[in-house]
Parts: sequence; structure tokens; C-alpha cells
Amino acid sequence: DQQVKQNSPSLSVQEGRISILNCDYTNSMFDYFLWYKKYPAEGPTFLISISSIKDKNEDGRFTVFLNKSAKHLSLHIVPSQPGDSAVYFCAASYVRGSQGNLIFGKGTKLSVKP
Amino acid sequence: DVKVTQSSRYLVKRTGEKVFLECVQDMDHENMFWYRQDPGLGLRLIYFSYDVKMKEKGDIPEGYSVSREKKERFSLILESASTNQTSMYLCASSLAQLNSPLHFGNGTRLTVT
Repeated sequence: DQQVKQNSPSLSVQEGRISILNCDYTNSMFDYFLWYKKYPAEGPTFLISISSIKDKNEDGRFTVFLNKSAKHLSLHIVPSQPGDSAVYFCAASYVRGSQGNLIFGKGTKLSVKP
Repeated sequence: DVKVTQSSRYLVKRTGEKVFLECVQDMDHENMFWYRQDPGLGLRLIYFSYDVKMKEKGDIPEGYSVSREKKERFSLILESASTNQTSMYLCASSLAQLNSPLHFGNGTRLTVT
């Protein structure tokens, strides 16, 4: 059963507009959420995170929103740039033994058109 | 800046071969991880390690083993490669602090024929 879902495999946005990437989760024990960005032929790189005690975290053009009651989070990119074109993975953290561990979604491929 | 280095970008192996994928990190991170990435499946955790000589199974450990003899090095071993192990393999490391972000290598594309 998929615990972290990214239901849109792809998203196309015009340069300068807002990109909204969505992620849903099923396990209420998740307490920390992260977004990673992946370019082709490279490993994923950490983008932004949010703790379950918050509902918003902002870093420059990137903002993550968390709606715990709906078990939903979203990543907003404003304004979108062609260099943002990549695959974005949502990940949720849970405690395994004494350590945290991540479950990743399947990813959403964002294309920002000039 | 953290660097996670995977020894090979591309590997082609035959069914039944023993395969070693090597990963080295240079930031003295306690935690190291092996994931595989497949189209439509995202990243799935194979094994992880929180200390030298320590290992724990991830979500899909079958057909794999790992070795961590030194803090900076984490090896993934396919004892007898099979075609369903054709995949992109990603190594990652992180600090021991809970929820520290993972730092990934650039991946090894393994093809088993």
C-alpha cells in the first residue's frame, strides 16, 4: 500500500507562473516531510522540509504547505523558472527503531516552459 | 559541501554474477542508505546503516546484502544478479540527527542481462 502518493506524474507550467506540486499521505504517524528535486543523471537534492507542528515553511521561491487534517502537503514555486524543470519527490519521515527513515512518493516531473 | 561518490555510473552484468556497488561519503556522516529508483515506483529503501558494522533492512532487502566496514564506505552486494535487479541505484548519507536531509550520490545505472 502506497503511503506517500504523488498523483500527478507530470506538470507543465509557463515560466513566471506558479508551480504547485501535490502530495498525499496515509500514515498519521509521519511527523516530518521533505521535498527533493532530481535532475536527469544526478542524485536527488534536498529542497525544503516541514515539521508536522507547522503548516507552512518558506525558502526563497519555494514554499511548502502542510494540511495535517487532510494528510496533504504541497510545494509552491513562485515564480517558476526553466531551471526548475526536474522530477520532484515528496518524502515523509517515520521513526524506525531509534532513527527516522523516509518513504518517498513516485515523483512528479515538472516542465517549465520559457 | 557534502560529496557522496558512487564508484560506477553504469554497469552491465550477467545473470548470476556477484555485483558490488561502492559508495563513499566525505562528510563523516553516521547514516548511510541504499535506494533503488524505478520508473513509476519512486525511490525504495533497500538497506541502511547507522554505524560501522551495523545494518538494517529497508523495504526491499531481498536479493541484496550490504557491508559497512568503515564509516565513510557503504557497499551494496547483489549475491546473484537477476534481471529484475536492473535499476538505478542511489546511495545517500546523513547526519545522525533525526530528520537530517539525505545527501545522494549521482547513482549507478545497473543493467543485468
